[in-house]
Amino acid sequence: SQTIHQWPATLVQPVGSPLSLECTVEGTSNPNLYWYRQAAGRGLQLLFYSVGIGQISSEVPQNLSASRPQDRQFILSSKKLLLSDSGFYLCAWTRTGFYGYTFGSGTRLTVV
Amino acid sequence: TQLLEQSPQFLSIQEGENLTVYCNSSSVFSSLQWYRQEPGEGPVLLVTVVTGGEVKKLKRLTFQFGDARKDSSLHITAAQPGDTGLYLCAGYNQGGKLIFGQGTELSVKP
Repeated sequence: SQTIHQWPATLVQPVGSPLSLECTVEGTSNPNLYWYRQAAGRGLQLLFYSVGIGQISSEVPQNLSASRPQDRQFILSSKKLLLSDSGFYLCAWTRTGFYGYTFGSGTRLTVV
Repeated sequence: TQLLEQSPQFLSIQEGENLTVYCNSSSVFSSLQWYRQEPGEGPVLLVTVVTGGEVKKLKRLTFQFGDARKDSSLHITAAQPGDTGLYLCAGYNQGGKLIFGQGTELSVKP
């Protein structure tokens, strides 16, 4: 069966520090991968998506970047965090032709 | 811009009551999905509705897709405390990306 792992679960970082969040999928190949951010437990905003290794599309301009160094690995990064980067970050995967997304358990990021 | 609007945003009811959550748009969607999210966890897919007028049941949850495929509803019969959570509807926009409504936060008190 397929599983998705996301870590860390919580993170408190000072303003101006770098960020690296990692997401890996097991049990499938060539997944479509997504990073979402959720503010205040409400709707999800799509940040990045990837349909293959090295292929990254950005949905909104921001202080963040994403990379996909391996087929089942998706990384969210920042060189210098801002207070506004605080939120709940969710990684998700799906396969082309499938309707639903499977989400990881999320990372709660607090920038102080 | 395609948007999904959910109502109500917050709902607090007693165990045993019935409730309906709505997801509306001015745009046509090829399908709509419903997710349930518990605090500190990622959303979990409950159902996908594809055909206009379609009704799907998942135990005490009934999902309906509007005939014009612009809206959907989630009805819970005899709510239980375990139904507490954030309910999100989602659909694919014209760019093929999954967009979400703002969610309905449901609290069922024993």
